[in-house]
Amino acid sequence: EDKVVQSPLSLVVHEGDTVTLNCSYEVTNFRSLLWYKQEKKAPTFLFMLTSSGIEKKSGRLSSILDKKELFSILNITATQTGDSAIYLCAADSGGSEKLVFGKGMKLTVNP
Amino acid sequence: DVKVTQSSRYLVKRTGEKVFLECVQDMDHENMFWYRQDPGLGLRLIYFSYDVKMKEKGDIPEGYSVSREKKERFSLILESASTNQTSMYLCASLRGNTGELFFGEGSRLTVL
Repeated sequence: EDKVVQSPLSLVVHEGDTVTLNCSYEVTNFRSLLWYKQEKKAPTFLFMLTSSGIEKKSGRLSSILDKKELFSILNITATQTGDSAIYLCAADSGGSEKLVFGKGMKLTVNP
Repeated sequence: DVKVTQSSRYLVKRTGEKVFLECVQDMDHENMFWYRQDPGLGLRLIYFSYDVKMKEKGDIPEGYSVSREKKERFSLILESASTNQTSMYLCASLRGNTGELFFGEGSRLTVL
């Protein structure tokens, strides 16, 4: 059975801290790993990773994939209160166009 | 800008009622999805559709059906709502074959 596991499931930090979110996956026909950020409404796309070892970066956020160990991490440096959200990790099981989602990780950044 | 619109943001229904949740996308995407999101369970796939009139069951299809009569519109139907279907429902469409999903703002359904 395909599965995606995120850890930790929740985290509380102070502004300025650096956080690392973990995502491990086991899916058949793996094609890509995606990260989403969900604030009050719908999830919004952050990154898509298809190749091992190549870091994707957007401002203070970065992510990398390890296809040998079947995991990805999302790093957020110099966190701000606006980073408070649920972060979702999903694996694309290419055969059926379905994404398998983790349960999400709730990040709270306190001022 | 990409847009996925869910017609109802908040609904309150009674047990046994029929419920329609509508979703429209303006991106000409072929693949559309319905998820429900519950605390501690994350996003779970109910149904998806890869073309007009085509549908496939997701992980939790029981108690739901869908309709895709036009490419831009994907409807989720609860034939007889039950209290355990109280949830946030998210519609999404897929950009090409990249895996990038675009989500609607969600429909929060409460079944009394």
